[in-house]
Amino acid sequence: AQKVTQAQTEISVVEKEDVTLDCVYETRDTTYYLFWYKQPPSGELVFLIRRNSFDEQNEISGRYSWNFQKSTSSFNFTITASQVVDSAVYFCALSGTYKYIFGTGTRLKVLA
Amino acid sequence: GAGVSQTPSNKVTEKGKYVELRCDPISGHTALYWYRQSLGQGPEFLIYFQGTGAADDSGLPNDRFFAVRPEGSVSTLKIQRTERGDSAVYLCASSEGGGVDTDTQYFGPGTRLTVL
Repeated sequence: AQKVTQAQTEISVVEKEDVTLDCVYETRDTTYYLFWYKQPPSGELVFLIRRNSFDEQNEISGRYSWNFQKSTSSFNFTITASQVVDSAVYFCALSGTYKYIFGTGTRLKVLA
Repeated sequence: GAGVSQTPSNKVTEKGKYVELRCDPISGHTALYWYRQSLGQGPEFLIYFQGTGAADDSGLPNDRFFAVRPEGSVSTLKIQRTERGDSAVYLCASSEGGGVDTDTQYFGPGTRLTVL
């Protein structure tokens, strides 16, 4: 069975601090995809990144970076120099086909 | 371009009533998905459409739930004899569809359903 664990329920940081959101997944598929979505208070899930299981290169996009490690089944997300606008619930998701399996989310609060 | 839209944004109904939730996918997307998100949880898969047909409805909790997509674009999620446990945010997503790889799904703002 597929499973995504986001052990951090809520994280609070002060603006400009760096913060890492953890994601651990379980799957028996050899080909799979991992995603991160942001859910601001408005409720809409905003796509951030997609990774396939064959691409372990880390990725950086502005203040965001992702660390994919198959050896530990983890796909962690780091926000550098956090801003108040980063406050949201962040979801990690896993998919082998079309069905996404989401974690329970991590609520990030960035305090001014 | 326009994203996925869902109407209504909020729906309050009484136990036992029938409700319809509508989803307009991104233009040109052939694949459409419904998820349900309970408070403090991640979204849970309900049903997947490829074109007009439901390719996988294994996530629908029981036969009170039904969804259609008659022309391969707009979809309606229908819930009969609503129960208080149906209260949740219902999210719709769409993707390009038709490819071999898993698509990236783009989500709408959701419909918050409250059953009193």
